[in-house]
Amino acid sequence: QQPVQSPQAVILREGEDAVINCSSSKALYSVHWYRQKHGEAPVFLMILLKGGEQKGHEKISASFNEKKQQSSLYLTASQLSYSGTYFCGTVLLLGGKLIFGQGTELSVKP
Amino acid sequence: EAGVAQSPRYKIIEKRQSVAFWCNPISGHATLYWYQQILGQGPKLLIQFQNNGVVDDSQLPKDRFSAERLKGVDSTLKIQPAKLEDSAVYLCASSSLGRRGANTEAFFGQGTRLTVV
Repeated sequence: QQPVQSPQAVILREGEDAVINCSSSKALYSVHWYRQKHGEAPVFLMILLKGGEQKGHEKISASFNEKKQQSSLYLTASQLSYSGTYFCGTVLLLGGKLIFGQGTELSVKP
Repeated sequence: EAGVAQSPRYKIIEKRQSVAFWCNPISGHATLYWYQQILGQGPKLLIQFQNNGVVDDSQLPKDRFSAERLKGVDSTLKIQPAKLEDSAVYLCASSSLGRRGANTEAFFGQGTRLTVV
């Protein structure tokens, strides 16, 4: 039931773009995206609900493909502050528990 | 608004000892989560409460872990007896219910780093 994220790690230069993917084998009600910096708690970025909504947060946006049970997180013109580990969390249509993927480690270099 | 409060921040115990963690969620949040995060991995859901009922505890090792949520507010997670593999960060999070009755975003506490030696 755990969502699968790809890639596992990304290294970028400042200003470059990145896409992080999250997929589930079961029908989803919602997808949550969080960023965690080393030694800190995960911080909420955005939530996408069933309906294919695309949400934005500064230069970070996301999409949710209901048919494929997939979500993608788009980071454009990356900044040093974007470095951290990104987690997607999923809530299934049947059952309300929030479970997380294994994470994608993003490093932005100057 | 005040965030999710957890205590203690750090705990070192010997294997076979017992330990308890405390969490105070954001006021008014119906849902409370306990996650175990091992270094380099994603948070693993141990138990999810909605008010004082359990939504899911399928990943809670019930022979040694127990959790309760008092009056639908504060929560305590206990490990007895601890094993070396329990070394991890224990994260508490809370969320409110949205208009559709589903949970909104989860807010996390700073976590308790447990080391079992």
